[in-house]
Amino acid sequence: ETGVTQTPRHLVMGMTNKKSLKCEQHLGHNAMYWYKQSAKKPLELMFVYNFKEQTENNSVPSRFSPECPNSSHLFLHLHTLQPEDSALYLCASSQEVGEGRAYEQYFGPGTRLTVT
Amino acid sequence: AQSVAQPEDQVNVAEGNPLTVKCTYSVSGNPYLFWYVQYPNRGLQFLLKYITGDNLVKGSYGFEAEFNKSQTSFHLKKPSALVSDSALYFCAVRDANTGTASKLTFGTGTRLQVTL
Repeated sequence: ETGVTQTPRHLVMGMTNKKSLKCEQHLGHNAMYWYKQSAKKPLELMFVYNFKEQTENNSVPSRFSPECPNSSHLFLHLHTLQPEDSALYLCASSQEVGEGRAYEQYFGPGTRLTVT
Repeated sequence: AQSVAQPEDQVNVAEGNPLTVKCTYSVSGNPYLFWYVQYPNRGLQFLLKYITGDNLVKGSYGFEAEFNKSQTSFHLKKPSALVSDSALYFCAVRDANTGTASKLTFGTGTRLQVTL
């Protein structure tokens, strides 16, 4: 596996379900991000982790719960979602420190989430 | 606060003709600027960046962009468009003076349509 991978690629869940999205980066980066991409709206930053510590929570509702057990893995736990939460959820990583710092973010393919 | 404007929702160009996708930005400090491309049902793919140095930066697939500080612009260009360049293009900015995990702000995207 190379780059940033995300599973599952597609997810349909009811409003009372609990599910998790998984992201893994194989790039040795120190920072990881969750974004939400909805039709006709700008890309929305949700959470930022730096060396597995959360450094940004962009006023995201508590029904979205991130987890970063190490610098390579990022999860987004979902519960009691609303239909308006249906979107493409993108994970990204970047190298921000050290000699390899480059600042651009590398994105996974995304999880297409549909809440019914 | 930082922001990005992509004034055109869609750009149409004939294959073989030059293309330009416009981007202007606002940031309080020095800008780091990025262009990404998104193909259908895929994540964002990094094209090029301006961090410092030459105002004209070259990236993947023959794309280039010119940083213009006085006009606060970072327009994406390609001398000869291909049908395969048809996709959604995003400009993004970050303040160079932020911390060790970058908070990118994205534009709303410009759809490039290249026709034969």
